Amino acid sequence: EPEVTQTPSHQVTQMGQEVILRCVPISNHLYFYWYRQILGQKVEFLVSFYNNEISEKSEIFDDQFSVERPDGSNFTLKIRSTKLEDSAMYFCASRHKPRFAQYFGPGTRLTVL
Amino acid sequence: QQQVKQSPQSLIVQKGGISIINCAYENTAFDYFPWYQQFPGKGPALLIAIRPDVSEKKEGRFTISFNKSAKQFSLHIMDSQPGDSATYFCAASESGLISGGYNKLIFGAGTRLAVHP
Repeated sequence: EPEVTQTPSHQVTQMGQEVILRCVPISNHLYFYWYRQILGQKVEFLVSFYNNEISEKSEIFDDQFSVERPDGSNFTLKIRSTKLEDSAMYFCASRHKPRFAQYFGPGTRLTVL
Repeated sequence: QQQVKQSPQSLIVQKGGISIINCAYENTAFDYFPWYQQFPGKGPALLIAIRPDVSEKKEGRFTISFNKSAKQFSLHIMDSQPGDSATYFCAASESGLISGGYNKLIFGAGTRLAVHP
């Protein structure tokens, strides 16, 4: 069964450093998302991406964040200058069409020291 | 108005019992209501979903009940098993023209279910 994959599974970085989180969505999916989950809290929407552009972003997704689909398979989330409060699990999700289910990857645990 | 309220925060059920988790929403534009199951250290996994044109959907031991007028929906887990011990999230999204059909999911706060043998 196709699945969303994410790398790395765990990333430790120093405050102020740039990190790139990588995702490979399910191959025939067209809509891509990033969510985050601070430890013990609910999953929060960050950004949606369709047709090579951001379609919607939350207030969390400020100028420090960017997303890119550099080739036909990868979908990345970049945090330019990490803060302590960026420590969370980051989940990538993808969807085939409108009104279809979103499927989540296993997540990347980001720890900012 | 974008919130989804979920209760209870935690739930302990004996093996074989029924687990019931409730969610409520305000945004009447929501038209897709999935439930996700999450094990520690893993991503949310889609369990079952419902659209507001039906009042109930059943898949195996899992049933969603949907009350459109009350803007509430619930997950029932019949014959609960220790392997069902996980965190359950309800979510909602809208697929209307205003949102462009991009369907961001709004999640509830989660319910930590423990099924005791």
